[in-house]
Amino acid sequence: GQNIDQPTEMTATEGAIVQINCTYQTSGFNGLFWYQQHAGEAPTFLSYNVLDGLEEKGRFSSFLSRSKGYSYLLLKELQMKDSASYLCAVRDSNYQLIWGAGTKLIIKP
Amino acid sequence: IAGITQAPTSQILAAGRRMTLRCTQDMRHNAMYWYRQDLGLGLRLIHYSNTAGTTGKGEVPDGYSVSRANTDDFPLTLASAVPSQTSVYFCASSDTRTGYGANVLTFGAGSRLTVL
Repeated sequence: GQNIDQPTEMTATEGAIVQINCTYQTSGFNGLFWYQQHAGEAPTFLSYNVLDGLEEKGRFSSFLSRSKGYSYLLLKELQMKDSASYLCAVRDSNYQLIWGAGTKLIIKP
Repeated sequence: IAGITQAPTSQILAAGRRMTLRCTQDMRHNAMYWYRQDLGLGLRLIHYSNTAGTTGKGEVPDGYSVSRANTDDFPLTLASAVPSQTSVYFCASSDTRTGYGANVLTFGAGSRLTVL
């Protein structure tokens, strides 16, 4: 079966750096996405990786290793507004998105 | 403001009743999707439509139906609601006409449905 694994919850301190991991086992691979979802709101797109390596976008970076079935989202200079759930999703060989359950990130002052 | 509008925002429904969740987008995206989100689970695809006039089944289609009469609207109907359909429902859209590429999904604000 297809599976996306992420930690359920993480806690970090304002101003610090946090890394949220995602491992996947899917039928084929056509890209990996990270979305941010604040409580009670819709998911919003953060990043997309289809080739191995690091994609940097401001305070957020996303890394992909296809051979290891592994990605991480790196958040730097954490702000209170970064408190949210972070969803990892992989597009499989049928171009369908398989979603992880999400990682709830709690930022403490 | 361009985006997706869902209605209702929330609804409490008696089991056995029929319910339609509405979804309208103004971005002229060709593809639209309905997901449900339950605690501890990832988003699960219910139905999708790659273009007006066509629909397809997702991972959890049983008990739900959709139609796509035009580009903008993609309603989701529960013919006879059951308590296991209690969930938050998200409508989403994307433009896949130029190839999948990043194929970023734009989501509506969600509809919280409780079936008693």
